[in-house]
Amino acid sequence: AQTVTQSQPEMSVQEAETVTLSCTYDTSESDYYLFWYKQPPSRQMILVIRQEAYKQQNATENRFSVNFQKAAKSFSLKISDSQLGDAAMYFCAFINGGSQGNLIFGKGTKLSVKP
Amino acid sequence: DTEVTQTPKHLVMGMTNKKSLKCEQHMGHRAMYWYKQKAKKPPELMFVYSYEKLSINESVPSRFSPECPNSSLLNLHLHALQPEDSALYLCASSQDPSAVYTEAFFGQGTRLTVV
Repeated sequence: AQTVTQSQPEMSVQEAETVTLSCTYDTSESDYYLFWYKQPPSRQMILVIRQEAYKQQNATENRFSVNFQKAAKSFSLKISDSQLGDAAMYFCAFINGGSQGNLIFGKGTKLSVKP
Repeated sequence: DTEVTQTPKHLVMGMTNKKSLKCEQHMGHRAMYWYKQKAKKPPELMFVYSYEKLSINESVPSRFSPECPNSSLLNLHLHALQPEDSALYLCASSQDPSAVYTEAFFGQGTRLTVV
C-alpha cells in the first residue's frame, strides 16, 4: 500500500523565522512525484513545490525548499522567512508516474505564524 | 488562465433534492477529478475523467453521478444525499493523463451541507 505520513498535526513559527514540516511516504515504485500543497482558509489547494523522484537535486521555490531523501523516503518542506500569509494547512502528496492522477495525501499539518 | 472554477461556492440541500456541482477549466487539461474533503481531513479521490471518459470510480455511492460533457466541463450530480455527505467537494484538473505527470490545479471547492 502507498501511504503518506505527516507526523506533525500542528506547527507554529514566529514571523521571519524558519520552519520545517516533515513528510514520509511508502511506495515500491521507482517513478513517482511528490508535492506540497497549501490550503488556506479560502479552501483552494495551491501547489507550493514539486519534486520528481528521479531528480537528486532538491527543489526550491523562492522561500520554500525541500529536503528529499529518497532512500529514507522522506520529503520535508522548509519555509524560510515565514510570513503571516503562510498560515495554512499543508498537505504532502504523492503520485506514481504511471497513475492517472490519483494523488495520495497525508493528513496535513496546520501551520500558524505568530507576528 | 490557470484557474479551475467551481460553482456554486456554497450549497445547502435537503435529502430529497437533486442538485449539480459544476467545474470548468480552460487550460486544455485532459484529466479532471472530483475529490471529497471532510473537515480537518485530506481530500479523498472520488472520480477521475481521462479524455472525457470515466477512468476511476473509487467505489462512490450511486447517489453521486459524475458527468463530463466536454473537455472543459465536469459536473457532479447529486441525488438523495445523506447528512454525512456534507463536505467540501473539490474539482481538479491536470494536463495529460498519458504524459509525465505535472501537477493538479484545484478549484476553490463547493461547501455542501445536506439537511
